[in-house]
Amino acid sequence: EAGVTQFPSHSVIEKGQTVTLRCDPISGHDNLYWYRRVMGKEIKFLLHFVKESKQDESGMPNNRFLAERTGGTYSTLKVQPAELEDSGVYFCASSQGGGKAFFGQGTRLTVV
Amino acid sequence: SQQGEEDPQALSIQEGENATMNCSYKTSINNLQWYRQNSGRGLVHLILIRSNEREKHSGRLRVTLDTSKKSSSLLITASRAADTASYFCATASPEYGNKLVFGAGTILRVKS
Repeated sequence: EAGVTQFPSHSVIEKGQTVTLRCDPISGHDNLYWYRRVMGKEIKFLLHFVKESKQDESGMPNNRFLAERTGGTYSTLKVQPAELEDSGVYFCASSQGGGKAFFGQGTRLTVV
Repeated sequence: SQQGEEDPQALSIQEGENATMNCSYKTSINNLQWYRQNSGRGLVHLILIRSNEREKHSGRLRVTLDTSKKSSSLLITASRAADTASYFCATASPEYGNKLVFGAGTILRVKS
């Protein structure tokens, strides 16, 4: 069974550009989460999908971030326009029910 | 402030020794989970302990949970160099919609 996959693994973009991160959850997992770890600090929650609906987007830092999960399968996280402070590692996770969450390898985003 | 906070922030031990990491949290929880992150890689789920459980074992890992003190500990016995990683606790709390809330992590270095 394939795990959670994220693409790309690394992205380096200039300030002001747009970047789209993608997450493919484990097939059949209704819950999909996005997290971010900045500068080796704590792993911060961004948002939570249940199927295609946004259950909780309280962690989204501002309106430059847009997440979608069309059809309740894969999800994208777009940052537009990117700022220097957006640099970090973006993790996606999926789960079924209230059990353990399976994480992807993360996308390391560097904004220069 | 963080729901989950680990201590110590960093721990350096010799191979073969035991490593103990602690986690404190602030709210009621449904479960508490421990994850490991090797440098530059994704988060790997280690163990989940439910709020009505006090202790769980998995191989060389032993997790305890004290809900009266709102704390948990992760013990790694007979550590190996390959255990070198960052370790995070994460809580699933009904007060936070059961999304996982992470602490800042403990960096463990096992010297061979």
